[in-house]
Amino acid sequence: DVKVTQSSRYLVKRTGEKVFLECVQDMDHENMFWYRQDPGLGLRLIYFSYDVKMKEKGDIPEGYSVSREKKERFSLILESASTNQTSMYLCASSSGLSQETQYFGPGTRLLVL
Amino acid sequence: QKEVEQDPGPLSVPEGAIVSLNCTYSNSAFQYFMWYRQYSRKGPELLMYTYSSGNKEDGRFTAQVDKSSKYISLFIRDSQPSDSATYLCASSYGGATNKLIFGTGTLLAVQP
Repeated sequence: DVKVTQSSRYLVKRTGEKVFLECVQDMDHENMFWYRQDPGLGLRLIYFSYDVKMKEKGDIPEGYSVSREKKERFSLILESASTNQTSMYLCASSSGLSQETQYFGPGTRLLVL
Repeated sequence: QKEVEQDPGPLSVPEGAIVSLNCTYSNSAFQYFMWYRQYSRKGPELLMYTYSSGNKEDGRFTAQVDKSSKYISLFIRDSQPSDSATYLCASSYGGATNKLIFGTGTLLAVQP
C-alpha cells in the first residue's frame, strides 16, 4: 500500500511566521505535489516536483516555496504566513508512469491568526 | 470556464438508493479519469480509475466515461451511510508528471 504521511494534522501559526509543512512517501515515487483545498474552490495545485531538486510552479505558487532534497520528502514553505493562507494542505505522490494516479496524504489543516 | 466542472451538491439520498454523480470536462486531450472519495477532515482516497471511454465496475461502484460528450459519471448502488463523503472527479493528460485537474467535489449524504 502506498503511504503518504504529513508532519502535522493541525497547525496554528501567527501572521508573518515562516511555516514548514513536510511530506514523506514510501513508494519511491518520482512525482510529488502540494495542493491546498478550500470550500467551493476544490483542490488547487501549488507546486510539484518530478525529481529530486526539481520543481515546477502550479496554479497558485505565490507566497509559497518548496524543497525536495531527497526523493521521499517534499517540503512546502510559507515564507511569511498570512491569514489568506489558512487552508487544508494536501500532499500527493505518483510514479512516473502515465497510467498511474496520485496518492494523497491525510492533510494538514493550517490556521494563520 | 473550468476544465473540470462538478455540481457541488449537497446531495442527500436515503439508504439503499442508487446515486449518480457527474462531471463534465472541456479538454478533449484528457485521457485518464478518476474518482476520489474524501471523508471529512481526511485526505482524498482513490476510488475508481479509468482510461479513455467506457465503464469500469468495482463492487457497488461503476465509473463511466463518455469522451464524445466529455461526461464522467460515478454510480453507487445500494448506497450506505458509510458512503457519505465528498466525491471528487479528476482528469489527466497522462505523461510522466501526471498532473490532475480536479472538480470542486460533490458532498453526498446517505441518510439511514
